[in-house]
Amino acid sequence: GDSVTQMEGPVTLSEEAFLTINCTYTATGYPSLFWYVQYPGEGLQLLLKATKADDKGSNKGFEATYRKETTSFHLEKGSVQVSDSAVYFCALSSYQGAQKLVFGQGTRLTINP
Amino acid sequence: EPEVTQTPSHQVTQMGQEVILRCVPISNHLYFYWYRQILGQKVEFLVSFYNNEISEKSEIFDDQFSVERPDGSNFTLKIRSTKLEDSAMYFCASSEIQNQETQYFGPGTRLLVL
Repeated sequence: GDSVTQMEGPVTLSEEAFLTINCTYTATGYPSLFWYVQYPGEGLQLLLKATKADDKGSNKGFEATYRKETTSFHLEKGSVQVSDSAVYFCALSSYQGAQKLVFGQGTRLTINP
Repeated sequence: EPEVTQTPSHQVTQMGQEVILRCVPISNHLYFYWYRQILGQKVEFLVSFYNNEISEKSEIFDDQFSVERPDGSNFTLKIRSTKLEDSAMYFCASSEIQNQETQYFGPGTRLLVL
């Protein structure tokens, strides 16, 4: 079945560092791809999405490009802030009669001042 | 900005008891979902619901689980006889009919079965 694999965490960086969180997927068909973020004590918030190959999703300084050839959707940010500390989930939409999301295991990111 | 809400935020119950988790989806959304996340594991799909019936359910969603939209605003998940392994964070989500794949999540209910 469809699956998503994220880089193992936790990830700890200093403020203003460059961030990459790797995400690869396995899917039949052409899924849409998503990054969700979960801040401490809160629910899952949609961060960005891309619906077809070579699309770039972006929001709040984060970017991810849908790479069909490498089946990847890596999350990047040029300069992280302490407020970016959260758990980040990569996901794909798997259409099998109804849209359901298949999630990666999540990557906990901590940014130190 | 409209959001999905869930109640309660935390629930502790005894094994074998029934629990009902409640969700209020975004008002113009017509697709509803439940997911769960066991501590330290992935977020897993449980069930999707549209037009007052289940669209899809996972293997996890067995006869102990049921969903209902009892009125125009609430969407509930019932676990009839809880087991220890039902302890998890349960997330409700909803999406628009025109953009089903973009799902908006609530803050979750943390269920602990003792």
